[in-house]
Amino acid sequence: ETGVTQSPTHLIKTRGQQVTLRCSSQSGHNTVSWYQQALGQGPQFIFQYYREEENGRGNFPPRFSGLQFPNYSSELNVNALELDDSALYLCASSLAGGANSPLHFGNGTRLTVT
Amino acid sequence: GNSVTQMEGPVTLSEEAFLTINCTYTATGYPSLFWYVQYPGEGLQLLLKATKADDKGSNKGFEATYRKETTSFHLEKGSVQVSDSAVYFCALSSGGSNYKLTFGKGTLLTVNP
Repeated sequence: ETGVTQSPTHLIKTRGQQVTLRCSSQSGHNTVSWYQQALGQGPQFIFQYYREEENGRGNFPPRFSGLQFPNYSSELNVNALELDDSALYLCASSLAGGANSPLHFGNGTRLTVT
Repeated sequence: GNSVTQMEGPVTLSEEAFLTINCTYTATGYPSLFWYVQYPGEGLQLLLKATKADDKGSNKGFEATYRKETTSFHLEKGSVQVSDSAVYFCALSSGGSNYKLTFGKGTLLTVNP
């Protein structure tokens, strides 16, 4: 089975710019979650998408937005980039359900904002 | 709100040593508990999980027991290998969701030959 893939692997942007990160879900998975992992910290939940709609959100401002497509792939968009947005962004897919459907993570996109 | 506190690292051990990484949590309701591992340059991989009190999760020689009375989920391994060198994250989910995980800050483990 194909795992979760993210692109690009690395990205450098300037403060104030906009960025789009992409994620392809693991085969058969219908939900996608995004996490931000700052250096030396644990991942923090940004939001989740199910059936192309946002289905839960963490403590992140509206300039963080996302999309899920009919093939369950997803995008994370960040507008008006700030220096503190520099982090590893992780995408995770799963089957809709409870804790018996664990998350499968991609390798992440390393975003640097200068 | 939910929170996870885990032992700060880094932890450095010799091969075949015993490993314990402490993890305690605060959560509403009855959370599910997880340990994830992150190898250099890679994403997170689920190592083990437990969904109710007194459950023991185990995988690849690692074990952790869900202790409700002490709100803990300590990770143990009897004999570590060099290949176990990685960052280990304790995490919880609650409210019936499997996607909104709350993570600890992670513990870097280095195993020397």
